[in-house]
Amino acid sequence: SQQGEEDPQALSIQEGENATMNCSYKTSINNLQWYRQNSGRGLVHLILIRSNEREKHSGRLRVTLDTSKKSSSLLITASRAADTASYFCATDDTDKLIFGTGTRLQVFP
Amino acid sequence: GAGVSQSPSNKVTEKGKDVELRCDPISGHTALYWYRQRLGQGLEFLIYFQGNSAPDKSGLPSDRFSAERTGESVSTLTIQRTQQEDSAVYLCASSLVPGRDQPQHFGDGTRLSIL
Repeated sequence: SQQGEEDPQALSIQEGENATMNCSYKTSINNLQWYRQNSGRGLVHLILIRSNEREKHSGRLRVTLDTSKKSSSLLITASRAADTASYFCATDDTDKLIFGTGTRLQVFP
Repeated sequence: GAGVSQSPSNKVTEKGKDVELRCDPISGHTALYWYRQRLGQGLEFLIYFQGNSAPDKSGLPSDRFSAERTGESVSTLTIQRTQQEDSAVYLCASSLVPGRDQPQHFGDGTRLSIL
């Protein structure tokens, strides 16, 4: 079963704009991960945030986590056409990951 | 190779046939995972191997699905008597060690089409 749900399901923006994607989950977690998937390819790990962290940065990526609301957000700043992809959150379930439904991001040049 | 390798990249077969999908994880990675991704959907967990421990098969959708792994190397996912609903991309991932805080490294998947 899928633990996380991303919102929105699809997002279209212009290059240079910021993109924000949200993930909600149901049960308590130890950490949450974000992945990117380009069309026809496998997933690529972007960032991991632990349950005792509230915010984490990696380059143009900023992830926040609110365990009280069981939600996380991924912000991509100054987007580029190459950021066009699907983005998934994944929460931990013992040694497995449970993936959300994904947000399809389209960045127009 | 440097990454997770899956073969074949595409497979088209007739309903009722058996198929075997292969995954070569990153060398040295002890944990290996199989997922199914239907068109436009998220990933469904299928099975997880951790070293020599018994695999976690809790995600396999039916007894037509089975998987094996030889030590800490190659894994095969077998689907018997395929049905049209089995059409999907099957993704394999590996991680250095098992654990909820480990990033998973994915192959590009096998796109399976059942006619």
